Amino acid sequence: DVKVTQSSRYLVKRTGEKVFLECVQDMDHENMFWYRQDPGLGLRLIYFSYDVKMKEKGDIPEGYSVSREKKERFSLILESASTNQTSMYLCASSAGDSKTQYFGPGTRLLVL
Amino acid sequence: GESVGLHLPTLSVQEGDNSIINCAYSNSASDYFIWYKQESGKGPQFIIDIRSNMDKRQGQRVTVLLNKTVKHLSLQIAATQPGDSAVYFCAENRWGAGTALIFGKGTTLSVSS
Repeated sequence: DVKVTQSSRYLVKRTGEKVFLECVQDMDHENMFWYRQDPGLGLRLIYFSYDVKMKEKGDIPEGYSVSREKKERFSLILESASTNQTSMYLCASSAGDSKTQYFGPGTRLLVL
Repeated sequence: GESVGLHLPTLSVQEGDNSIINCAYSNSASDYFIWYKQESGKGPQFIIDIRSNMDKRQGQRVTVLLNKTVKHLSLQIAATQPGDSAVYFCAENRWGAGTALIFGKGTTLSVSS
């Protein structure tokens, strides 16, 4: 079974803090994705990566950056957290040319 | 721009009924569609997918129908059970971005016994 894990289920941070969200997959997948999920808005793509050290902007990259130093790990970074970044963050991965993405359990982030 | 939408944000059914969740997409060139189920407190879970060269695909208690003429996708759940209560998302492939997907806003299915 594909397993995608996220470092925290719940996080509470202060405005202006630098926040790291970690995602690890154990299936040697090439592709990894970060989404945020908000009520009424569905899943919106923040960043994605098709290879180590490679990244592509999604629909809402502003205020975020990512890092992919190893194939199994894809990190989402909030350089200076703001209250409008309070959300559920979901990581996903997929293999090669496959479009089937497998999701982690999500991290619910609250920025105060 | 491209968008994937669902006709109804919520759907309530009785246990044992058949459920139909609908989705409209706007990009007639999309060639891959997928349905996910998200239970409370969990990440989305793959249910079933379909390619544009097919009209219908069946899984265990679920069927996906694709009508390319009207750009409509539906998920049918047979004999709905309380455990089917969740948010259901459709998604289509995102053009120009490899294997990335565009997700709809989701339909919340509530099953009462």
